[in-house]
Amino acid sequence: NAGVTQTPKFQVLKTGQSMTLQCAQDMNHEYMSWYRQDPGMGLRLIHYSVGAGITDQGEVPNGYNVSRSTTEDFPLRLLSAAPSQTSVYFCASSYSSWSNTEAFFGQGTRLTVV
Amino acid sequence: GQQVMQIPQYQHVQEGEDFTTYCNSSTTLSNIQWYKQRPGGHPVFLIQLVKSGEVKKQKRLTFQFGEAKKNSSLHITATQTTDVGTYFCAGQSGGSYIPTFGRGTSLIVHP
Repeated sequence: NAGVTQTPKFQVLKTGQSMTLQCAQDMNHEYMSWYRQDPGMGLRLIHYSVGAGITDQGEVPNGYNVSRSTTEDFPLRLLSAAPSQTSVYFCASSYSSWSNTEAFFGQGTRLTVV
Repeated sequence: GQQVMQIPQYQHVQEGEDFTTYCNSSTTLSNIQWYKQRPGGHPVFLIQLVKSGEVKKQKRLTFQFGEAKKNSSLHITATQTTDVGTYFCAGQSGGSYIPTFGRGTSLIVHP
């Protein structure tokens, strides 16, 4: 049982490049989400999904795309990287139950855009 | 939209002192969760509170949910160096699928 797996752990991009951050979970969770973490800003929600084929925007969605073709995978795409997207990105998954909303986080991807 | 405010942003304590972080929501919450993130690590779930006025304990950690379900606190008794990290609250209201995180309180424990 691997939990939530994110790849890569580290990435350096040039401004204007695109890339996909991968996230996979093996807990059969319906809910998955992407956060970015910047110093002093906490965890800000980028996009989330409540099930395969369903995605929605969070607090800071601009410059990012997501898709959810399977329950297990929830990739995050940076369309044209900008220095402002330098951050640590976390993927999380959770049960779709009001009585148990524990979120499981991946190890994070540290992205630098130069 | 829903806002979750957390204070203080940083707290320095001497080992053995107590520590408290506070979380306030602009709306009534259906539940609140607490997470701990060690330096360089990822957030790890600590606990969830659901009932008005609920108090839960985990060893030296005490979690409270306010009567109005709009605020919460985490209190650590006699801090240890292993308590170092950032503590986040995450509140969820009735209409939301995903909780809103506070900005976190970073705890620094001096030996």
